Amino acid sequence: EAGVVQSPRYKIIEKKQPVAFWCNPISGHNTLYWYLQNLGQGPELLIRYENEEAVDDSQLPKDRFSAERLKGVDSTLKIQPAELGDSAVYLCASSVGRGTYGEQFFGPGTRLTVL
Amino acid sequence: SQQGEEDPQALSIQEGENATMNCSYKTSINNLQWYRQNSGRGLVHLILIRSNEREKHSGRLRVTLDTSKKSSSLLITASRAADTASYFCATGPNNAGNMLTFGGGTRLMVKP
Repeated sequence: EAGVVQSPRYKIIEKKQPVAFWCNPISGHNTLYWYLQNLGQGPELLIRYENEEAVDDSQLPKDRFSAERLKGVDSTLKIQPAELGDSAVYLCASSVGRGTYGEQFFGPGTRLTVL
Repeated sequence: SQQGEEDPQALSIQEGENATMNCSYKTSINNLQWYRQNSGRGLVHLILIRSNEREKHSGRLRVTLDTSKKSSSLLITASRAADTASYFCATGPNNAGNMLTFGGGTRLMVKP
C-alpha cells in the first residue's frame, strides 16, 4: 500500500517568490493535515481537512498561506510571497476519518529553504 | 503552540541499555501517541494509549499514562543503534476531532 506522497522533496527559492507543495494522502483517508516543522522542534498544525472542508485552520497565516483540497483527495499548500522565516519542513499527514481517534500517517515532507 | 513537553531534550546511551523519555501535557486528552522520526525521514507512529488506559506494550516499547499528573513515559528496552532518532509525544484533546498537538521531542542517540 502506498503511503502519503509529497512533492517536491526539496525546494530552494528566493524570498518574495511563490511556492507550492503537493500532497496525496493514503487512499480512503478522509482527513488530511498540513504541519510545519522547524529544526529541532515538533510539528505544528497549519490546517486540517475533513474531505473538502477545512475544519481547523486557525494556525495558518492567511495573509501569505493558502491551501486547497478541491476533490477531497490530494491537497496543495501555497505560500505567496515566501519569507526567510518560512524555511522549514512542511509535512502532510492523513488519517481515516471524522470522529475517529487514531494514528496519523505522515509523508516524507518538503524541505523549503528561502534565501 | 506545543502542548507536550518532553524530558530530557537529549539522551545518549549505550546499545543494550534502556531509554526512558517523559512527556507532560496541559489539557485533558482523549489519547496520547508517541512517534519516531529518523534523520531525514518522516514521522512514524509507534504506539497510542487512550485516556482510560494506564500502560501499554508493543514489542520493546512500554508506555505509561498518568492522567492525574498529566504525564506519560516511553520506555525502550534493550536499545539498538537503529533506535537512534527523535521521539515525540502527541496529545489528542477531547472533543476536537482527530487532531494532535506535538511536543518538542527527545533526541535519542544509541551508541554501538
